[in-house]
Amino acid sequence: GQQLNQSPQSMFIQEGEDVSMNCTSSSIFNTWLWYKQDPGEGPVLLIALYKAGELTSNGRLTAQFGITRKDSFLNISASIPSDVGIYFCAGSYPDDYKLSFGAGTTVTVRA
Amino acid sequence: DGGITQSPKYLFRKEGQNVTLSCEQNLNHDAMYWYRQDPGQGLRLIYYSQIVNDFQKGDIAEGYSVSREKKESFPLTVTSAQKNPTAFYLCASSIRRGLGGELFFGEGSRLTVL
Repeated sequence: GQQLNQSPQSMFIQEGEDVSMNCTSSSIFNTWLWYKQDPGEGPVLLIALYKAGELTSNGRLTAQFGITRKDSFLNISASIPSDVGIYFCAGSYPDDYKLSFGAGTTVTVRA
Repeated sequence: DGGITQSPKYLFRKEGQNVTLSCEQNLNHDAMYWYRQDPGQGLRLIYYSQIVNDFQKGDIAEGYSVSREKKESFPLTVTSAQKNPTAFYLCASSIRRGLGGELFFGEGSRLTVL
């Protein structure tokens, strides 16, 4: 599987801020997924996207499937302390059974 | 409650020993997967199985082995041939057998080689 390019690698948030992260791939995907992982736990699915251009929300989270099918972004609005963790994007190629994962974006609360 | 159970959560192993990580799901999912996670890296696929009695190598299968004798179980053996086995191991399952279905993860097993 191919690693996705996920950025930023890390970010600091202040409560109430909006934050954004994105993923890009050199090849087209037919599925984009966003996961969140808390320390010592398994990733939990946040949002799933299946169509180019699709914009989907889950509470304060919004994600979009890029129109070129090679990128996706995740926005968190009005961040709260429990938003800290590692966020992963994942995608799959057409006719592929496997997901490829980005390296993750670590979100930390700014002191 | 339905879910994926991994055990043990923490495991210590001496060099040269094989160790088996358990993964059980009661979601009635067809497909199951094993991923390895290292700090600062994404998840890397070790093995996956789309159906009972069948499994395929992922991207980093060397030094690992699996079996899929029952739909709900997909144990992973980390053999002594795996040169750097210390890592966080994640088991996952999906309802779809193809085309990148959504994965549901267990809570992980942390293996440390002493």
